[in-house]
Amino acid sequence: AQSVTQPDIHITVSEGASLELRCNYSYGATPYLFWYVQSPGQGLQLLLKYFSGDTLVQGIKGFEAEFKRSQSSFNLRKPSVHWSDAAEYFCAVGLRNFGNEKLTFGTGTRLTIIP
Amino acid sequence: GAVVSQHPSRVICKSGTSVKIECRSLDFQATTMFWYRQFPKQSLMLMATSNEGSKATYEQGVEKDKFLINHASLTLSTLTVTSAHPEDSSFYICSAPAADSGANVLTFGAGSRLTVL
Repeated sequence: AQSVTQPDIHITVSEGASLELRCNYSYGATPYLFWYVQSPGQGLQLLLKYFSGDTLVQGIKGFEAEFKRSQSSFNLRKPSVHWSDAAEYFCAVGLRNFGNEKLTFGTGTRLTIIP
Repeated sequence: GAVVSQHPSRVICKSGTSVKIECRSLDFQATTMFWYRQFPKQSLMLMATSNEGSKATYEQGVEKDKFLINHASLTLSTLTVTSAHPEDSSFYICSAPAADSGANVLTFGAGSRLTVL
């Protein structure tokens, strides 16, 4: 079965600093990969996704992620964070089975932004 | 874009009562919907896959008689927590694949926070 690991439970960065959130997955093949963001008490919003092709994907809100097959990683980056980026971030994998869209989520990384 | 609406957003109930949570796809049809459960400061755990017109598929360890799922139309799935107990208190989130979001992309509802007293 597939699994997702987000090794950082909580990260604190200063506003304007760069950010990298780590995500590693375990799966027999290349899965579909996603990053979602969750604000307190809210549902999840899709930041970006990787299905195939260019391994560097651009998302909303200035986020990007790079798929590295050799490392089974899909780390999320942002060059300069804003206070509004404070939230919980989830990496997720989906199976490459037609019509099967269920996702397996990592444990999440809580991002705190300090002035 | 595709929107998934959940209702209620918050519900408090007494132990032993049943609570129904609705999940609606707005402006798109969803033959499949997914119900997740999220404990405080933890990840989302898939509970079940709701299938329009047929029985839901439950993940291992999820009691189907406890968490009743009905997917009666192409835009509505409901989750009923029966005989709720305090340990059922959680954040329940539904999601659906929306065609205009691309294959295998789920749109999530805003979640329903259940508190059982």
